[in-house]
Amino acid sequence: AQSVTQPDIHITVSEGASLELRCNYSYGATPYLFWYVQSPGQGLQLLLKYFSGDTLVQGIKGFEAEFKRSQSSFNLRKPSVHWSDAAEYFCAVGDSNSGYALNFGKGTSLLVTP
Amino acid sequence: SQTIHQWPATLVQPVGSPLSLECTVEGTSNPNLYWYRQAAGRGLQLLFYSVGIGQISSEVPQNLSASRPQDRQFILSSKKLLLSDSGFYLCACRDTYEQYFGPGTRLTVT
Repeated sequence: AQSVTQPDIHITVSEGASLELRCNYSYGATPYLFWYVQSPGQGLQLLLKYFSGDTLVQGIKGFEAEFKRSQSSFNLRKPSVHWSDAAEYFCAVGDSNSGYALNFGKGTSLLVTP
Repeated sequence: SQTIHQWPATLVQPVGSPLSLECTVEGTSNPNLYWYRQAAGRGLQLLFYSVGIGQISSEVPQNLSASRPQDRQFILSSKKLLLSDSGFYLCACRDTYEQYFGPGTRLTVT
């Protein structure tokens, strides 16, 4: 069964600094990969997705992610973080055996300092 | 694009009481629908998914059940709540390969 690992539970960055959130997956076939963001008490908002093609994908709010098959990774990046980016970030992989339900990592909590 | 409605937004229920959470979807037809639970510090867990009316698949054995009486309606139920049922319940809808989430229901079992 596929799984998703987000190694960093918490990350703190200064406003204006660059950001990289790590995600590793375990999946036999070409994965459908996603990054979601969740603000406190809110639902999940899709940041970006990868299905096939160009391995560098652009998303909303200035985020991008790169799919690296050799490393089984799908890391999320942003060149300059804003205070409003503070939130919980989830990486997920779609499971074709469960109606394409999402298998989530445990999330990374991002704190942005002034 | 789809819009997903969930209600209630928050709910406080005593142990042993019944539960009914409702999810409705607008803007699409014959979607795959999903219930996830987010417990404190435990990430998101798939509970049920449905690929059509009356078709429910359960991922985790528990005292919860789900039903899909109409194409765009998905209901999560329990006959007797446990303390461990507390959490944030999210309904989601699949559009091609993407999933969109509703605003969620915060359930506290006391």
